[in-house]
Amino acid sequence: DAKTTQPPSMDCAEGRAANLPCNHSTISGNEYVYWYRQIHSQGPQYIIHGLKNNETNEMASLIITEDRKSSTLILPHATLRDTAVYYCIVRDSTQGGSEKLVFGKGTKLTVNP
Amino acid sequence: DGGITQSPKYLFRKEGQNVTLSCEQNLNHDAMYWYRQDPGQGLRLIYYSQIVNDFQKGDIAEGYSVSREKKESFPLTVTSAQKNPTAFYLCASSITARETQYFGPGTRLLVL
Repeated sequence: DAKTTQPPSMDCAEGRAANLPCNHSTISGNEYVYWYRQIHSQGPQYIIHGLKNNETNEMASLIITEDRKSSTLILPHATLRDTAVYYCIVRDSTQGGSEKLVFGKGTKLTVNP
Repeated sequence: DGGITQSPKYLFRKEGQNVTLSCEQNLNHDAMYWYRQDPGQGLRLIYYSQIVNDFQKGDIAEGYSVSREKKESFPLTVTSAQKNPTAFYLCASSITARETQYFGPGTRLLVL
């Protein structure tokens, strides 16, 4: 079972920031937070991941709360091509952790013109 | 181009037939994975391989088989024992089994 909770759907206006929340209240100290997205009928695309600190790359920013029980993925200037299902995943990437990614149902983000 | 390729994009299977899905990567990744996705659902792990000539069962391995004879290739065979094969099949790879997984474009399998 997925260890994360996400809203089933969200809307965002084109050009505005999209803030996608994720709750992971049972996260353990070794578990990273990963974000992927999946555009209809395509393979999931890796976006970003982090452990404790906030992370930023060319696609998005990841904000993790100090207690690590929740996080927010931020797409700073959403475009129509960002319309997709966004998955938040927690995974133990250390030795002895899990090889698999456990995908929940994610958040369907619709970017409107 | 570096990346993961899967072929074919669509595949049709007749009753009682085995079919093989191809997955190739030129990223020099050691680990490779096969996932299955059913409509409106998340991905479920079928098999994974951490290194050449080695592979392990995932959560739903029954009715599937794999081989890993080359680092860049990890084909998946859907056997006639898999009673509900219609799904979207996704291959992924990572530098090692603990690193970020990157996915291919997927193969959609349909039963005639």
